Amino acid sequence: KQEVTQIPAALSVPEGENLVLNCSFTDSAIYNLQWFRQDPGKGLTSLLLIQSSQREQTSGRLNASLDKSSGRSTLYIAASQPGDSATYLCAVNDYGQNFVFGPGTRLSVLP
Amino acid sequence: DAGITQSPRHKVTETGTPVTLRCHQTENHRYMYWYRQDPGHGLRLIHYSYGVKDTDKGEVSDGYSVSRSKTEDFLLTLESATSSQTSVYFCAISEQQGNEKLFFGSGTQLSVL
Repeated sequence: KQEVTQIPAALSVPEGENLVLNCSFTDSAIYNLQWFRQDPGKGLTSLLLIQSSQREQTSGRLNASLDKSSGRSTLYIAASQPGDSATYLCAVNDYGQNFVFGPGTRLSVLP
Repeated sequence: DAGITQSPRHKVTETGTPVTLRCHQTENHRYMYWYRQDPGHGLRLIHYSYGVKDTDKGEVSDGYSVSRSKTEDFLLTLESATSSQTSVYFCAISEQQGNEKLFFGSGTQLSVL
């Protein structure tokens, strides 16, 4: 059974720092991986989708990488801003009808 | 933002009563999903639909049923609500299963007393 973990569980950084969030999955036979952002009391917003054949995806200050063989993905946020404060979740699709979600990393960017 | 509306946004009900949550989309996406989000468990799939009248079970389907009579509407029914079903319920949609981004609704906070 696919399991997804995320480290750290929570992170607090000063504004302007570059930071890395980590996602690990146990079964490397995945179809794709997505990173989401969730603000308190809100739904999830998809940030980046990486297909299994891709190594990375970029959107603005966000860059996500995928290493299937090691079962890892990282989300890099450049020049963090207070508006980036949220919970970030990764999810893998392992060829089933299900995206398996990690528990999330709660990010606080301090002004 | 994807056009997904969940109703109600908040509901309090009593143990043993039936409850129906509604998800309405204006994107004409084929796939629709119901998830629940709980502290310590993250997001878990309850049921999903791959077309009108085509549904299947997810990881935590016991005690739940779904129906999809129109492309735009996906209903989740708790047949006899229990306290363990207190949760935040999210509807999601995707255009192609597994190959497109998931778009989520704003969620329904359900409390079963």
